[in-house]
Amino acid sequence: AQTVTQSQPEMSVQEAETVTLSCTYDTSESDYYLFWYKQPPSRQMILVIRQEAYKQQNATENRFSVNFQKAAKSFSLKISDSQLGDAAMYFCASIPYSQGAQKLVFGQGTRLTINP
Amino acid sequence: GAGVSQTPSNKVTEKGKYVELRCDPISGHTALYWYRQSLGQGPEFLIYFQGTGAADDSGLPNDRFFAVRPEGSVSTLKIQRTERGDSAVYLCASSLGGVETQYFGPGTRLLVL
Repeated sequence: AQTVTQSQPEMSVQEAETVTLSCTYDTSESDYYLFWYKQPPSRQMILVIRQEAYKQQNATENRFSVNFQKAAKSFSLKISDSQLGDAAMYFCASIPYSQGAQKLVFGQGTRLTINP
Repeated sequence: GAGVSQTPSNKVTEKGKYVELRCDPISGHTALYWYRQSLGQGPEFLIYFQGTGAADDSGLPNDRFFAVRPEGSVSTLKIQRTERGDSAVYLCASSLGGVETQYFGPGTRLLVL
């Protein structure tokens, strides 16, 4: 079974600064996909960024980028130029696809606070 | 276009009652997923449909939980003889299948008294 661990229950950052959220995973799968989702108080999960494990290049989406370290099974999210609207719960997740599974396996989440 | 919608937004029921939670996926999405999110936790997978059939129901906690998707679009999650431990947010997501991005609805918050 694949597990995802987020060791930081809470993080805070000053507006316009950069913050990194940590995520590690444990898998024996050869083919898997990694995601970061954002969940604001409205409850709706919003995809922030995704990474295919077979790709060596780190994914980037505007102010959001990942540091994917496959050997270390680490998948951290960097948010640059933090904005007040970035405040939310952030969940790291994976799909262990090599067995055909399509279900997302989530970590416990990190609550991000942006200080003005 | 319209996103994933879920009804009701909130549901309060009494222990032992039966509840139905509805999910309307994004039009054209063949895959539909149900997750349960307990307070302070990440979502946990319950079941997913590919078309009308349940392709993986390994996350359903027991036989009190059942889900259907009779026409390959709308899905209903049914919980019989509700227990206080069933209180959680139930999230629905849809996708084009495979490892395509799953788009989530706003969830239904279920409270069992």
